[in-house]
Amino acid sequence: DTAVSQTPKYLVTQMGNDKSIKCEQNLGHDTMYWYKQDSKKFLKIMFSYNNKELIINETVPNRFSPKSPDKAHLNLHINSLELGDSAVYFCASSPTVNTGELFFGEGSRLTVL
Amino acid sequence: RKEVEQDPGPFNVPEGATVAFNCTYSNSASQSFFWYRQDCRKEPKLLMSVYSSGNEDGRFTAQLNRASQYISLLIRDSKLSDSATYLCVVRGNNNAGNMLTFGGGTRLMVKP
Repeated sequence: DTAVSQTPKYLVTQMGNDKSIKCEQNLGHDTMYWYKQDSKKFLKIMFSYNNKELIINETVPNRFSPKSPDKAHLNLHINSLELGDSAVYFCASSPTVNTGELFFGEGSRLTVL
Repeated sequence: RKEVEQDPGPFNVPEGATVAFNCTYSNSASQSFFWYRQDCRKEPKLLMSVYSSGNEDGRFTAQLNRASQYISLLIRDSKLSDSATYLCVVRGNNNAGNMLTFGGGTRLMVKP
């Protein structure tokens, strides 16, 4: 069983479209994250939820909206996609907030044309 | 200045070589330090934590120098399978609380 699974793995779409990426973890962790890795390979935190509550909301355009229906799921919805949104989006989870070990999903590669 | 800086490489080394990477961080209040490994087109995975007194895990040795604000990773007897990008990660007090900040990674290529 995959510990942190995200879908879809690949997404190719046109500018202006709206898309969602789903993430689920079966590790029983309290904290989940969305990271963005751009073409220069920098991993940047976007959002973090702890027990379904938003705790980190970095400077991200409000076209990006996370949603955590329960602590095992953290989805990411993106409105009005732009070329600069092309990146790999990684979902991750950790047992608690103050920990150094994140368990990442395999990533969702988004290409905006 | 970036919060966590690494030489992007690539470091090209022959099998069996010893190679070391450094990483510097800007926030002196940083609390915890880690090395992650990311294979090509894969997700990052925790390699090891970095403790104040330095620590070793098999062929890997991590060191922390708080005064100079740098972390190092030493790999002895490099294997082909060590080829990957090594990410320096720092956790500390910043605007977003105790979140992890990732460096841009150092790419290692071990050649036969």
